[in-house]
Amino acid sequence: AQSVAQPEDQVNVAEGNPLTVKCTYSVSGNPYLFWYVQYPNRGLQFLLKYITGDNLVKGSYGFEAEFNKSQTSFHLKKPSALVSDSALYFCAVRDISSGGSYIPTFGRGTSLIVHP
Amino acid sequence: SQTIHQWPATLVQPVGSPLSLECTVEGTSNPNLYWYRQAAGRGLQLLFYSVGIGQISSEVPQNLSASRPQDRQFILSSKKLLLSDSGFYLCAWSGAGISGNTIYFGEGSWLTVV
Repeated sequence: AQSVAQPEDQVNVAEGNPLTVKCTYSVSGNPYLFWYVQYPNRGLQFLLKYITGDNLVKGSYGFEAEFNKSQTSFHLKKPSALVSDSALYFCAVRDISSGGSYIPTFGRGTSLIVHP
Repeated sequence: SQTIHQWPATLVQPVGSPLSLECTVEGTSNPNLYWYRQAAGRGLQLLFYSVGIGQISSEVPQNLSASRPQDRQFILSSKKLLLSDSGFYLCAWSGAGISGNTIYFGEGSWLTVV
């Protein structure tokens, strides 16, 4: 079984400050982990993914995420937030163990608001 | 490069009318295809997925159906729409087989049933 949690419905941050959007997951085996961003009235855009290797993954628009196996987390980060980063962010997980689903499970989303 | 097209972008339909949303993918072969619904700008609900022509799996029993008449075409349909069918519908694709991992989404279709 696979599941993902985004514990914060909304994150507020001032422009120029670092941002973190939290994600924790649960899988039976090893995970593939993903982050997506959704702007209003648009589809989800792929930001980055963790498959294997370096725990720090860099993605689009200056975002990065850190895979932490012991804490089963995959938090999204950016050193300096922009107002244009304001959007809805989704974390997703897929269990790649034998018998795991090839369809990822998505979190409920976290609304990021960056204040000028 | 691969692209996904979804249409129409916006649709207003009366209760009891039929529905057809179409999605096509270019630049890849034998993709896995998906239909999701997003309610209230939040969580995604997987409605249907397909691993090949004519192969459709339904995740949630409801008033909708899906078909895959061609390798890169995925259609979401209803014979009679309900008010509760209103929402934002997203088509998506991923690489062939179970190893394809990243899902890529279309721009979505807003359906309002009145």
